[in-house]
Amino acid sequence: EVHLVESGGRVIRPGGSLRLSCATSGFTFDHYGMSWVRQAPGKGLEWVSGIDWNGGSTGYADSVKGRFTISRDNAKDSLYLQMHRLRDEDTAFYYCARVITSGWFGTADYWGQGTLVTVSS
Amino acid sequence: QSVLTQPPSVSEAPRQKVTISCSGGSSNIGSNAVSWYQQLPGKAPTLLIYYDDLLPSGVSDRFSASKSGTSASLAISGLQSEDEADYYCAAWDDSLNVVIFGGGTKLTVL
Repeated sequence: EVHLVESGGRVIRPGGSLRLSCATSGFTFDHYGMSWVRQAPGKGLEWVSGIDWNGGSTGYADSVKGRFTISRDNAKDSLYLQMHRLRDEDTAFYYCARVITSGWFGTADYWGQGTLVTVSS
Repeated sequence: QSVLTQPPSVSEAPRQKVTISCSGGSSNIGSNAVSWYQQLPGKAPTLLIYYDDLLPSGVSDRFSASKSGTSASLAISGLQSEDEADYYCAAWDDSLNVVIFGGGTKLTVL
């Protein structure tokens, strides 16, 4: 059974940095692209970033480009999101999701339960 | 405002059928596959439909979807109370080079 478990979310001051992790199990991690999708409380879904199967190709939403970095460790079956210069508007639940192909964008067929990042002074 | 436009809410009685629309453009729905996601209250989203009209294993066949031109739609037949959720469409956008989501539609089963 596929499992995705995010961690690392917490309250952080504006301008701060945070690293989210996503531990995976139940599938061959290096066969799939992965992505991060976020949802501000009470709002809709926003795709944040994606990475292909070996980390060779990545993509970012304009709202996070230059501030966030997606990465993966295939030896640890884990996905990461390094976030810098955090802003109030980055406050959201961050979901890790498996992409249905080996590429970095596309349908997300499995999702984690999410981790909450709150940017507040 | 989302690039993919969905009605904010729809409602229908139990055992009836409801349709949720998703309107986009030539750079997204018009040229790329559409996915639909269900988000039950307080839960993470789950995949409902992929590649325009395919159901993942385990998804009830009460759910169906279609696409025509730059619009897509999700249909839910035999409505049940447990179908109350937010529903999102999504597609890749060739111009923006990102995955885009619709604003979401809240389904209420009366």
